[in-house]
Amino acid sequence: NAGVTQTPKFRILKIGQSMTLQCAQDMNHNYMYWYRQDPGMGLKLIYYSVGAGITDKGEVPNGYNVSRSTTEDFPLRLELAAPSQTSVYFCASSHHREKWEQYFGPGTRLTVT
Amino acid sequence: KQEVTQIPAALSVPEGENLVLNCSFTDSAIYNLQWFRQDPGKGLTSLLLIQSSQREQTSGRLNASLDKSSGRSTLYIAASQPGDSATYLCAHSGYSTLTFGKGTMLLVSP
Repeated sequence: NAGVTQTPKFRILKIGQSMTLQCAQDMNHNYMYWYRQDPGMGLKLIYYSVGAGITDKGEVPNGYNVSRSTTEDFPLRLELAAPSQTSVYFCASSHHREKWEQYFGPGTRLTVT
Repeated sequence: KQEVTQIPAALSVPEGENLVLNCSFTDSAIYNLQWFRQDPGKGLTSLLLIQSSQREQTSGRLNASLDKSSGRSTLYIAASQPGDSATYLCAHSGYSTLTFGKGTMLLVSP
């Protein structure tokens, strides 16, 4: 199993550009999550999904969009990138059969200039 | 709103010491608590998960405890090694989502 994979690893965007961060998992987990981590801070939940076709907002959803068309994939879309979105983005997945233990991807480091 | 606090924010110890990292949370309605390790520039690695019905979990030199009534969890690291140097994060789960603390940055010197 590859676990949770994320692409790209690094990206630099100009203000106003858009991009999609990709996340995939091969563990047949129904829940998937997007977090952002700023320096010296813990992780904050952006969006999560309980299954294909169902998404919900987390603590910091503004400026982001998500979709979940398959169990495996959960892309995060940034529209009109702003410097405040400079951060490290982590994707994670979990399943109730594993007591909701979350497994994380390696992260995407995004800089908006 | 759920808040998770980790104390201390940073800790520096010589190799071989036993140490305790602290985590406190405001919402006693807890499903489970997870401890993670994060190396610089890397993702999170799950260390231990304690369900609400459990008091502690052990893995090798690591032992995590949970006291729901006081809203506290501790991570005990025995005989620390330089390879233990990392940031340790605790996360509270009310059900399927996690609320994270800011972490404790640990440095173990040879």
